[in-house]
Amino acid sequence: DAKTTQPPSMDCAEGRAANLPCNHSTISGNEYVYWYRQIHSQGPQYIIHGLKNNETNEMASLIITEDRKSSTLILPHATLRDTAVYYCIVRAAITGTASKLTFGTGTRLQVTL
Amino acid sequence: DAGVTQSPTHLIKTRGQQVTLRCSPISGHKSVSWYQQVLGQGPQFIFQYYEKEERGRGNFPDRFSARQFPNYSSELNVNALLLGDSALYLCASSIQGRDNSPLHFGNGTRLTVT
Repeated sequence: DAKTTQPPSMDCAEGRAANLPCNHSTISGNEYVYWYRQIHSQGPQYIIHGLKNNETNEMASLIITEDRKSSTLILPHATLRDTAVYYCIVRAAITGTASKLTFGTGTRLQVTL
Repeated sequence: DAGVTQSPTHLIKTRGQQVTLRCSPISGHKSVSWYQQVLGQGPQFIFQYYEKEERGRGNFPDRFSARQFPNYSSELNVNALLLGDSALYLCASSIQGRDNSPLHFGNGTRLTVT
């Protein structure tokens, strides 16, 4: 699986958009970009994933560059409950084989009043 | 619907002992994976099981073993515990068979080895 690079920490004011970048310059054509977050003392929570196109769900938006070498997770209106470690993961999608996720160190997002 | 459930939530064991951790996947999910998360690091892949067969194994010693039952629940066993096995053990389930099915995690079992 391709390696990802994320800033170790970011701050965001409550109510503002949080834009979390991720670099995955060695991503392969069959690898998806996944985002998870982990709030203290809980298991990782799935947020969103995509292959080529931008994706949006009730939690966030995922913007993937045209060359797929980087992406941005957008939390449109951050709240204090969004304070967590955010993991960007690239994952090969081959049916029948181990579907492991390779976690890096993530970005610690601190949402403040 | 209930999410992934793990038991126990906390456990304290002594070096050399054995431990069994349990996981119930989301209803309809046939694949279960186990991860170890040491304090300050991201989770690391241990095993994946699908339809009771091991489909993948991470870089962990043979002291770690797992199995999946006909109802798709799973157990992780760790023998001859070491202090370094102290960690949060996470179970995740997914709908195998779809290329992009996300993994959904439980809140883990916190194992402390003394």
